[in-house]
Amino acid sequence: DGGITQSPKYLFRKEGQNVTLSCEQNLNHDAMYWYRQDPGQGLRLIYYSQIVNDFQKGDIAEGYSVSREKKESFPLTVTSAQKNPTAFYLCASSPTSGGNSYNEQFFGPGTRLTVL
Amino acid sequence: GESVGLHLPTLSVQEGDNSIINCAYSNSASDYFIWYKQESGKGPQFIIDIRSNMDKRQGQRVTVLLNKTVKHLSLQIAATQPGDSAVYFCAENMAGRTGNQFYFGTGTSLTVIP
Repeated sequence: DGGITQSPKYLFRKEGQNVTLSCEQNLNHDAMYWYRQDPGQGLRLIYYSQIVNDFQKGDIAEGYSVSREKKESFPLTVTSAQKNPTAFYLCASSPTSGGNSYNEQFFGPGTRLTVL
Repeated sequence: GESVGLHLPTLSVQEGDNSIINCAYSNSASDYFIWYKQESGKGPQFIIDIRSNMDKRQGQRVTVLLNKTVKHLSLQIAATQPGDSAVYFCAENMAGRTGNQFYFGTGTSLTVIP
């Protein structure tokens, strides 16, 4: 089946620890995205990548880091510098990198991170 | 202490009735819109999209209406079913925005009463 997978579904970490969230897609999409979702708020963009070995900060990149070494993978690290890391994290991908064309973003199932 | 999050707008409908969910946007240059459905604990799923050169688009049991004059978007669900219970939110994009970035609304929580 084609799609986006995120693992794990639930993640618990102690305060002060870095944690890496996995996102893999087999849709052959160029662009990938990480969002954070908090109760009562819209999705907020953390980082996005339009192509391998390149990524851009989104609206709330502070305290997060990413890498894009392979087209299929876009892991997100939540560092100890992120002041309020407990949230639902969503990864998405799309078949185009923008310009004057648009494409739907396809979402993974999400990872709920709880920092204790 | 306890932290309290913001509450989503809610809509409750009887099974079989039609549902209308609204979305307002602020950017007059927005020209592509998507409605997503998100069930509890899951990722959003695409429902339907519309471009700004259209006022209406229909899918299976769903219709999206776009009013560019007042920057308003609505999603109509016909014959609402219990499986339609979810959070629905709109997303917008515009020409020239890098990276195919969308901006997302906060969502409306739809509850279908059997």
